[in-house]
Amino acid sequence: AQSVSQHNHHVILSEAASLELGCNYSYGGTVNLFWYVQYPGQHLQLLLKYFSGDPLVKGIKGFEAEFIKSKFSFNLRKPSVQWSDTAEYFCAVKTLGRLYFGRGTQLTVWP
Amino acid sequence: EPEVTQTPSHQVTQMGQEVILRCVPISNHLYFYWYRQILGQKVEFLVSFYNNEISEKSEIFDDQFSVERPDGSNFTLKIRSTKLEDSAMYFCASSERVSGNTEAFFGQGTRLTVV
Repeated sequence: AQSVSQHNHHVILSEAASLELGCNYSYGGTVNLFWYVQYPGQHLQLLLKYFSGDPLVKGIKGFEAEFIKSKFSFNLRKPSVQWSDTAEYFCAVKTLGRLYFGRGTQLTVWP
Repeated sequence: EPEVTQTPSHQVTQMGQEVILRCVPISNHLYFYWYRQILGQKVEFLVSFYNNEISEKSEIFDDQFSVERPDGSNFTLKIRSTKLEDSAMYFCASSERVSGNTEAFFGQGTRLTVV
C-alpha cells in the first residue's frame, strides 16, 4: 500500500519568510500528486496537483510544488508567506484510484 | 462554484447510538468517498462508492459502517453503534471518475464526538 510522509507536523514562520513543506511517498508506480489546504473551519481545498508533464507545478495563492521522481518527493514551496496562509496542509497521492494522505502540517504564520 | 456539502458540521452522540452523516456530492460526479481523520492523525480512506455500490473499502470500514445513496443527491455514512474511537472528522468527497487525471473535491467535514 502507498504511504505518504509529511515530516513537519507544525511549522511556525513570520510573514515574508519562505516556506518549504516536505512530502514523500513510497509507491513507485504511476501516481497523481496533490496538495490540499484546510483553513480553519473550512473544507479541504485543492492547492495544486501534478498528473504529468512539467514537474514544477504552480498552484493558487503563489504556491508551487516540485515532483522529483527519483526521490519520491513532492515538496510544497512558497517564497513569501502571509498571515492568511495559516492553515493545515495535506499532501496526497493517488495510486490505483485511491487517495492516500499524509498526516498534515499545521502552518502558523505570525504577522 | 459547485461544492460538496456535509451536514451536520458537528454531531455529538452517546456511545452505542446510531449516527448518520450526510453529504451532497457535486451533481455531475459519479464517484463518492468517505474519509476520516482522528485528531492528530492522518486522513484515512474509509470507502468509495460508484453505481450504487461499494467499489472499495478499507479495513476500518467494518460491519458497523454502511453507506447509501438514498436518492439522486444525498450520500450517507451510517455508523450503527458508535464507539468512543469513532470520534473523528469525517470528510465526504466526490469526483467525476476514479481513474485518470481527476481530482477529488471535499466537503468541509462533520466532526463526530462520541461521549
